[in-house]
Amino acid sequence: NAGVTQTPKFQVLKTGQSMTLQCAQDMNHNSMYWYRQDPGMGLRLIYYSASEGTTDKGEVPNGYNVSRLNKREFSLRLESAAPSQTSVYFCASSVAGMENQPQHFGDGTRLSIL
Amino acid sequence: AQSVTQLDSQVPVFEEAPVELRCNYSSSVSVYLFWYVQYPNQGLQLLLKYLSGSTLVKGINGFEAEFNKSQTSFHLRKPSVHISDTAEYFCAVMHSGTYKYIFGTGTRLKVLA
Repeated sequence: NAGVTQTPKFQVLKTGQSMTLQCAQDMNHNSMYWYRQDPGMGLRLIYYSASEGTTDKGEVPNGYNVSRLNKREFSLRLESAAPSQTSVYFCASSVAGMENQPQHFGDGTRLSIL
Repeated sequence: AQSVTQLDSQVPVFEEAPVELRCNYSSSVSVYLFWYVQYPNQGLQLLLKYLSGSTLVKGINGFEAEFNKSQTSFHLRKPSVHISDTAEYFCAVMHSGTYKYIFGTGTRLKVLA
């Protein structure tokens, strides 16, 4: 049972470098989400995709772009990394069309920007 | 603005003692409420959820939570904690008509031997 798989698990970047975080789910979920987790701030939504072919901004989208490649995959791209983007990034997925359904999370990508 | 407040950032408790982790939310519309647990270096796992019906909700690992609409609270409880319950716990609210969570800032539960 893979669930939600994120790659890589760890990454160190230099300021200004670009990077794509990958996420794939095997639960046939329609909705996918990207969060960042920072100490004392909980999880904040960056972008989400309610269904294949659609993406929407969340609470903190600046500096990020996303691509819903197909139903399984939802990637997050940092075009020009900044130290403020040092964080733990989580991808999640859920059944669409049922607003009260829980989300399933990956194990996270720990990203450091020097 | 809609928000979720977890007042306690850290809660130390001795093994086999009871614990309550507090969660309050602000919303003018119907909500669905969730508690998630995060163990070190892992993602979040669902503990329990309140969608409708009985206000007392039972979850995994012996946890339960009570929805109190008048106090806009959804506190998490366990009558007897174990060392293995040491983790961070997040309360989350999903507002009716949306597909997005609002998370609280988390409470670190540390169970002491």
